[in-house]
Amino acid sequence: GAGVSQSPSNKVTEKGKDVELRCDPISGHTALYWYRQRLGQGLEFLIYFQGNSAPDKSGLPSDRFSAERTGESVSTLTIQRTQQEDSAVYLCASSSRRSRETQYFGPGTRLLVL
Amino acid sequence: GNSVTQMEGPVTLSEEAFLTINCTYTATGYPSLFWYVQYPGEGLQLLLKATKADDKGSNKGFEATYRKETTSFHLEKGSVQVSDSAVYFCALSTGGGGYQKVTFGIGTKLQVIP
Repeated sequence: GAGVSQSPSNKVTEKGKDVELRCDPISGHTALYWYRQRLGQGLEFLIYFQGNSAPDKSGLPSDRFSAERTGESVSTLTIQRTQQEDSAVYLCASSSRRSRETQYFGPGTRLLVL
Repeated sequence: GNSVTQMEGPVTLSEEAFLTINCTYTATGYPSLFWYVQYPGEGLQLLLKATKADDKGSNKGFEATYRKETTSFHLEKGSVQVSDSAVYFCALSTGGGGYQKVTFGIGTKLQVIP
């Protein structure tokens, strides 16, 4: 595609519910990243996928968070039993093998947990 | 660990004013340095980058020079426009091979008034 897309753009949920966020990276990009951006704070790394290698999950804040990626395509970030502190913008980025340092970001999903 | 410190905003300037947004970093090894910009309602996009000491990145009239001696990468523009209003993120990346771990600053909001 032309760019990284994410859905939904906004999500309001009740505390305790599960949510699933989706990311479609740029076609052909082998690397995919998820970040969390809380209000007034910088980007917080969550997880990294590179091709078929084992993902780097070191940034996931708790076992309520998980992510999957099928090959080099779509990724989903799942948050189980959401808490109010999960409210944030969740950003996805992808990069190509030829230009690994440059990440292309999607518009983000704004999650609000009531 | 790696960290990026940038000035907190918001920064409000009149059109055609000179802009400086300070950024300093702490990193092991030899990081690459970036400025990303996030326009209202859009995802982050790469503005400029520098991969080694004394390199100058430039784009759209913005410049930043990689200063290893002061561990800084300050963003400058000689004459800002209303269309430059956005949030600016300083970032660094480290890691050889396939994995580029990126650390972001908190972002500085710039508002340019006519």
